[in-house]
Order: sequence, then C-alpha cells, then structure tokens
Amino acid sequence: DAGVIQSPRHEVTEMGQEVTLRCKPISGHNSLFWYRQTMMRGLELLIYFNNNVPIDDSGMPEDRFSAKMPNASFSTLKIQPSEPRDSAVYFCASSLHHSGEQYFGPGTRLTVT
Amino acid sequence: AQTVTQSQPEMSVQEAETVTLSCTYDTSESDYYLFWYKQPPSRQMILVIRQEAYKQQNATENRFSVNFQKAAKSFSLKISDSQLGDAAMYFCAYLVLLGNEKLTFGTGTRLTIIP
Repeated sequence: DAGVIQSPRHEVTEMGQEVTLRCKPISGHNSLFWYRQTMMRGLELLIYFNNNVPIDDSGMPEDRFSAKMPNASFSTLKIQPSEPRDSAVYFCASSLHHSGEQYFGPGTRLTVT
Repeated sequence: AQTVTQSQPEMSVQEAETVTLSCTYDTSESDYYLFWYKQPPSRQMILVIRQEAYKQQNATENRFSVNFQKAAKSFSLKISDSQLGDAAMYFCAYLVLLGNEKLTFGTGTRLTIIP
C-alpha cells in the first residue's frame, strides 16, 4: 500500500489567502484524523472522521478552519483566511476504526507570511 | 483529562549501546493503548511499538521494547544496540480503547546517537 498521501508537501502563502490541504487515507481505513504540530503546542488533534462523518472537531481552532471528507478516499482541510500563526506542520492519519493504530502521512509544512 | 509526560527533552547514547526513554501518563480509564512514535528529520511520524493496557506482557519489536507499569502509569521505551538511524524525536502517546480515538501525545524526547 502507498500509505497515507498528503499534498502539497510544502505550502507558502500570504496572510489572508485561502489554503487547502489534501489527504488520501490508506485504502480500507475508515477513520481519518487531522493533526497540527507546532513548537509551542506540540501535536494536537484538530478533527477526526469515521466513515466520512466528522466525529470530533473540538480541536479545530476557529471558524477559519474547516474540514471535509466527501468520500472514503479523500479529505481536505481548509484555512480561510490564513494567518501567520497558522504556520505549522499539518498531518493526516488514518486507521481502522478502534484498531488503535494510526498511520501518518508525510505532513504538509505550511508557512503563512 | 488525560495527559502524557515525557520528562527528558533530550537524550544521547553511544552507538550500539542501550537507552531508555521515559513516559508517564495520567488517566482514569482502565482500557487504553499506549504507543511510541518516532519522528526523524524527514518529519514522518512512524509507529514504533504499541501496548494494550489489558496485556501484562511487555511489547517488543526487534530492538525496541517497553516496560509497562500500569499501576505506576509508566511506559518507558528501551532501544537496544542503538543505531545511527535511531536518531529522531520520540513521542509517547495514549489512546482510550473504544473512546473517541484521539491520540494524546507527550512533548517528545530528542534522541541523539553518538558514533
């Protein structure tokens, strides 16, 4: 299997612009997670989906962030408008529901100037 | 709320030697998983080892093993015969079985391998 695929790997954008991060989970996995990693806050869960349905979005920082999972093989995380404090590495992970093992993608490094 | 504590921000070990990374956690749950993830400079998060809380036997994966002390809420990682490729950030993580699947991470330990 190709593993979890994320795109782009790097994104540099200006403050106020819309940013869309993309994720393709491992085939057959039915849970998908978006995490953010920063020096200040470490790794934190933003949102997770089970069977394409958002289950817990309590980690989404504010209304500027939104996530969708239109089908079992694709998810997006959108930031609109972006701000410099959104600069971080964003990870997507997937798992079989309640298997306990989450497999991470390579991450997207976002820089907002 | 569950918390995971890694008290060693940095560790170093001589190549081929053994090193132990510490992790403690706080929870009121009885059924949960514990994990160690490795993050090398490539930033990829790699699952190293997992332990189910209901299992008394410590998990092992080749050169990696854990010392799981449920009563003490301690979960340390031992790396034997350290190799240069083991250099990375190591994160301890916790997940409630049959809960909301949220992984709670510690702050990480940066491991340096001395040739």
